[in-house]
Amino acid sequence: EDQVTQSPEALRLQEGESSSLNCSYTVSGLRGLFWYRQDPGKGPEFLFTLYSAGEEKEKERLKATLTKKESFLHITAPKPEDSATYLCAVKAPGGYQKVTFGIGTKLQVIP
Amino acid sequence: DVKVTQSSRYLVKRTGEKVFLECVQDMDHENMFWYRQDPGLGLRLIYFSYDVKMKEKGDIPEGYSVSREKKERFSLILESASTNQTSMYLCATALGITSTDTQYFGPGTRLTVL
Repeated sequence: EDQVTQSPEALRLQEGESSSLNCSYTVSGLRGLFWYRQDPGKGPEFLFTLYSAGEEKEKERLKATLTKKESFLHITAPKPEDSATYLCAVKAPGGYQKVTFGIGTKLQVIP
Repeated sequence: DVKVTQSSRYLVKRTGEKVFLECVQDMDHENMFWYRQDPGLGLRLIYFSYDVKMKEKGDIPEGYSVSREKKERFSLILESASTNQTSMYLCATALGITSTDTQYFGPGTRLTVL
């Protein structure tokens, strides 16, 4: 069974204090790993898709990386507006677009 | 940009009522999905549709049905709402049948069943 584990569950950072969120996965034949941002009471907002080990993608203060077993979301010099829950998801081969989501990491950035 | 809208942001219903949640997308995506999101459980797939009038069960279809009469519209139906269906419901779309396609989400409907 495909599994996605995100750590830590919650993270509190001072503004400007860089850190990383982890997403560990077990899936046979990864077809894609996705990062989303979710604000309270809203739907997930797509950030990145990574397809193969070694791939990296960046957007503003966020950088996502992928290995064969895990992905990291690096946040450089975060601002309070980066506060949100960050979700990781993996897609496996299958008859339909089977996507398994992690529970997320709740990030709080304090001014 | 992909635009996915859901009919209501908040909904309060009584046990036993029939509930309709509607999702509309404007990007001509083939695939549409309904998830529910609960604290500590993450997102779980209820149903998905890969074409008009076509549907497939997800991981937790019990107590739900769906309808897709037009490509842009996907409805989730709770035939007889129960308190354990209180949840955040999220609609998503994806471009085609390629297994690498990204899913894009709507704003969500917070449903409370009393």
